[in-house]
Amino acid sequence: SQELEQSPQSLIVQEGKNLTINCTSSKTLYGLYWYKQKYGEGLIFLMMLQKGGEEKSHEKITAKLDEKKQQSSLHITASQPSHAGIYLCGAAPHEKLTFGTGTRLTIIP
Amino acid sequence: EPEVTQTPSHQVTQMGQEVILRCVPISNHLYFYWYRQILGQKVEFLVSFYNNEISEKSEIFDDQFSVERPDGSNFTLKIRSTKLEDSAMYFCASSDRGARGQFFGPGTRLTVL
Repeated sequence: SQELEQSPQSLIVQEGKNLTINCTSSKTLYGLYWYKQKYGEGLIFLMMLQKGGEEKSHEKITAKLDEKKQQSSLHITASQPSHAGIYLCGAAPHEKLTFGTGTRLTIIP
Repeated sequence: EPEVTQTPSHQVTQMGQEVILRCVPISNHLYFYWYRQILGQKVEFLVSFYNNEISEKSEIFDDQFSVERPDGSNFTLKIRSTKLEDSAMYFCASSDRGARGQFFGPGTRLTVL
């Protein structure tokens, strides 16, 4: 089965700073999804990457997919308090989504 | 913007009781899913449902679990005889294109005492 490992597990960043979260897969990635979860709440879809080398941006969040490395990264530029939460990567080799371990992001003023 | 809704937001039950968790998927979606997240752990897949039948289920989804789409709008997860270890956040998701592009509901927090 496919395993997704995220790093770091938690991240504390000063407001305004940039940060990167990584997601590494144990198997070939045919698509990679990024979700954000606020504590005790649902998952908010951020982005889907389908092709190797693909890069997508939404507001201050950019995600890239490196198929060869079986890895994806999520980069936040000029972080804001609204970026705080748990970021999850997910892969869907079949019907189901398999999720990573999550990265808890805290933004300090 | 259309969204997946779930009720109740929090359910407390006694061990051995039956619970039904309800979901209203996005209206034009055809693929439906249940996931769960035990506190502090990963989000885990339970079951997928398409064309009025289960298309895939995980090892977690044993005989005490069942899903149903009783009408054109609701999608339910029934747990027949709850155990303490069933305490978790249960998420419903729906999609118009299979596993890709799933939208999640806010979750139901199930507490089994």
